Amino acid sequence: QSVLTQPPSVSAAPGRKVTISCSGNSSNIGNNYVSWYQQFPGTAPKLLIYDNNKRPSGIPDRFYGSKSGTSATLAITGLQTGDEADYYCGTWDSSLSARRVFGGGTKLTVL
Amino acid sequence: EVQLVESGGDLVQPGGSLRLSCAVSGFTFSSYWMTWVRQAPGKGLEWVANINQDGGKKYYVDSVNGRFAISRDNAKNSLDLQMNSLRAEDTAVYYCAREAYCSSSGCSEVDFWGQGTLVAVSS
Repeated sequence: QSVLTQPPSVSAAPGRKVTISCSGNSSNIGNNYVSWYQQFPGTAPKLLIYDNNKRPSGIPDRFYGSKSGTSATLAITGLQTGDEADYYCGTWDSSLSARRVFGGGTKLTVL
Repeated sequence: EVQLVESGGDLVQPGGSLRLSCAVSGFTFSSYWMTWVRQAPGKGLEWVANINQDGGKKYYVDSVNGRFAISRDNAKNSLDLQMNSLRAEDTAVYYCAREAYCSSSGCSEVDFWGQGTLVAVSS
């Protein structure tokens, strides 16, 4: 059971837009920055979004992050088959057991 | 170019020990917090532990606290994870990674990851 809640899977056709939600609480998302990671099968995760909505160098602006209250959202526009991957949200949890936490991951299928 | 290369993964029996290492290059190692994140087969990411720049602060997920020990050698640009009393549920790919920024309030994102090393705990 992950601390952050994501849908197990989402799907959309090429060229369309998809959103992936990430839900937490006031100890984590509510008071800390959210980051998003992309992971292809058999490879390491890669930072996609940081500080809720910033993109590292080289990440296209088709990937967009946002946060509101205790939830965050990753949006991907102009879907490409190469976007098929697992996506994870993450943040810091400032509760008594301070720790880094992740969502359970969402598998994106581009139909 | 930032590079993190893990080693030491292996098949080990329950109750056994293993030491993972991570060789780092491409950035000033001594300036960053470092972290270990694991991923069980077919499962999501789980943070394991992190360590501050001089090794004086270390934090662990509850499930490994008292069994695992994170350490670093800034002279050798290396990060280690000593794993004792291993259990079947510790079976995972272990990733060495860099914390982009940490403060007294917590840490921000993990900005660079190694390729991972597989630890399998089974009799």
